Amino acid sequence: NAGVTQTPKFQVLKTGQSMTLQCAQDMNHNSMYWYRQDPGMGLRLIYYSASEGTTDKGEVPNGYNVSRLNKREFSLRLESAAPSQTSVYFCASSNSGGYNEQFFGPGTRLTVL
Amino acid sequence: GIQVEQSPPDLILQEGANSTLRCNFSDSVNNLQWFHQNPWGQLINLFYIPSGTKQNGRLSATTVATERYSLLYISSSQTTDSGVYFCAVRAGYALNFGKGTSLLVTP
Repeated sequence: NAGVTQTPKFQVLKTGQSMTLQCAQDMNHNSMYWYRQDPGMGLRLIYYSASEGTTDKGEVPNGYNVSRLNKREFSLRLESAAPSQTSVYFCASSNSGGYNEQFFGPGTRLTVL
Repeated sequence: GIQVEQSPPDLILQEGANSTLRCNFSDSVNNLQWFHQNPWGQLINLFYIPSGTKQNGRLSATTVATERYSLLYISSSQTTDSGVYFCAVRAGYALNFGKGTSLLVTP
């Protein structure tokens, strides 16, 4: 039982390049989330997927797109990376409904030059 | 959105000391979690505690939802307790995080 896994762990991009961050969970959770963490701050929600087939914007969605590929997988795409997107990206998952504790992956450290 | 304030922002303890971290939030919530972010950046779930009191070894937490605060107690601290402790509350789908308490435990 690996929990929430993310790839890659580290990535360096040049301004304007694109990339996709991958996330998978094996806890049979319905809901999945993408957050970013900037220095000295807590996490902020980028996008979430309440259930397979649905996605919605969070607090900071600009510059990102997401795909809920199936129940297990939720990817985050940067179409044209900007230095302001330098951050640590965390994927999380949870059950929907009453007991909805969120569990987090190990994070992807992204630098945009 | 919901405001989450944590105190103190920084804390230095000697090994073996006890501490209390506080989280205040501005509105009703349906979930509250405490996390430990270790020096390698991993977020470790400590407690899921929308109300009441829970204990796990040297750590315990209490949430008083009607008064909009939660407390995390760390007893007999160890150097491995170092890192940042986050409180996060949920209203809707997102977890709203505080800025954390940075804890350093010295030998």
